[in-house]
Amino acid sequence: AQKVTQAQTEISVVEKEDVTLDCVYETRDTTYYLFWYKQPPSGELVFLIRRNSFDEQNEISGRYSWNFQKSTSSFNFTITASQVVDSAVYFCALSEHGTGNQFYFGTGTSLTVIP
Amino acid sequence: DAGVIQSTRHEVTEMGQEVTLRCKPISGHDYLFWYRQTMMRGLELLIYFNNNVPIDDSGMPEDRFSAKMPNASFSTLKIQPSEPRDSAVYFCASSLGINTEAFFGQGTRLTVV
Repeated sequence: AQKVTQAQTEISVVEKEDVTLDCVYETRDTTYYLFWYKQPPSGELVFLIRRNSFDEQNEISGRYSWNFQKSTSSFNFTITASQVVDSAVYFCALSEHGTGNQFYFGTGTSLTVIP
Repeated sequence: DAGVIQSTRHEVTEMGQEVTLRCKPISGHDYLFWYRQTMMRGLELLIYFNNNVPIDDSGMPEDRFSAKMPNASFSTLKIQPSEPRDSAVYFCASSLGINTEAFFGQGTRLTVV
């Protein structure tokens, strides 16, 4: 079973629109960690955020914000006022305290921001 | 600070040849990971090390794949013999501790012809 589901395969938005990337996870651990990574066209994977299961506070970093809801096992990522440079594939990942240091990645959401 | 270094961005080899990918993790990081990325299978963990010791190699696809970490600043992933289906982007990553964020190298795009 897929531990991390990113149901949106591809999203296109027009520049300056807001966009939310969905991430749903599955785990039986009470202690776990969630991550978002960005993979721009150049190919590298860039770390964006790490959140532990005991911290449900939403986080904002500039135009980026994350909404963590344990009740729905979701960790969604919103980009406000999108820009062309936001075009990339975004991956959500899960790491469980009980299974060592394994990262479970979702299949990614490809975001295209149209100028 | 230098990030994770994978000095080879592109590697082309012929089927049946041995290919070795190299990685230098971030200094002070205790964990090193090798991932493979393909369109069909996405990001797959191949193996990871803790303090130079392999901890989980269940993702290594076949005996043709082997990985070593002789010291804290260097790791290799070897494929012998290589096959066309091994063509993928191979990422090395390192992290400071357990369940902390992993920082990725730029990846090596391997093409086996």
